[in-house]
Amino acid sequence: GESVGLHLPTLSVQEGDNSIINCAYSNSASDYFIWYKQESGKGPQFIIDIRSNMDKRQGQRVTVLLNKTVKHLSLQIAATQPGDSAVYFCAESPVGGSRLTFGEGTQLTVNP
Amino acid sequence: DTAVSQTPKYLVTQMGNDKSIKCEQNLGHDTMYWYKQDSKKFLKIMFSYNNKELIINETVPNRFSPKSPDKAHLNLHINSLELGDSAVYFCASSQVADSNQPQHFGDGTRLSIL
Repeated sequence: GESVGLHLPTLSVQEGDNSIINCAYSNSASDYFIWYKQESGKGPQFIIDIRSNMDKRQGQRVTVLLNKTVKHLSLQIAATQPGDSAVYFCAESPVGGSRLTFGEGTQLTVNP
Repeated sequence: DTAVSQTPKYLVTQMGNDKSIKCEQNLGHDTMYWYKQDSKKFLKIMFSYNNKELIINETVPNRFSPKSPDKAHLNLHINSLELGDSAVYFCASSQVADSNQPQHFGDGTRLSIL
């Protein structure tokens, strides 16, 4: 269950709509970016990643966009389904690093 | 066929006690991690081991001591537990330490200090 005082950014969408979850980062040396999905009671689950030499990468129903000029990362989910309801985290690490720094997370709620 | 498994899933104990959390991965990865997730869902790395050697050690109280008997296991021992230690602790693993590979997470250990 959620804790009292939990204030995650939230996004609520209708089933079938497209969702866009945004993330800003501050480290210009960030080279690797990754999105995770965390369902209640579970650990973060890898969705998609992108390296700084790319600005777009597509997976199954998901697309990650990277804008290095403004240090912005987004995750687009096509045809959002109730099973997509979860907290979504972006994370980044520098060149050749394994030290992931996580963003604060966005709670996505999909309404049937 | 669980990839990263942690035990126990729930841990409720009194302040001042000593407890351990165990983690095992069957992915053949070289690198393992411990993260702490607080009540606001913020995830922060605590430790990382590459092939049994400590490579990341964030500012964590000395009461927390990781131990890696082999590269498939990374355990976390916590001495003299405090109220602020209540959190969800996640273990993770990745293929190689410095190659920007996705980290794979376990389902967490929910630690509650009374």
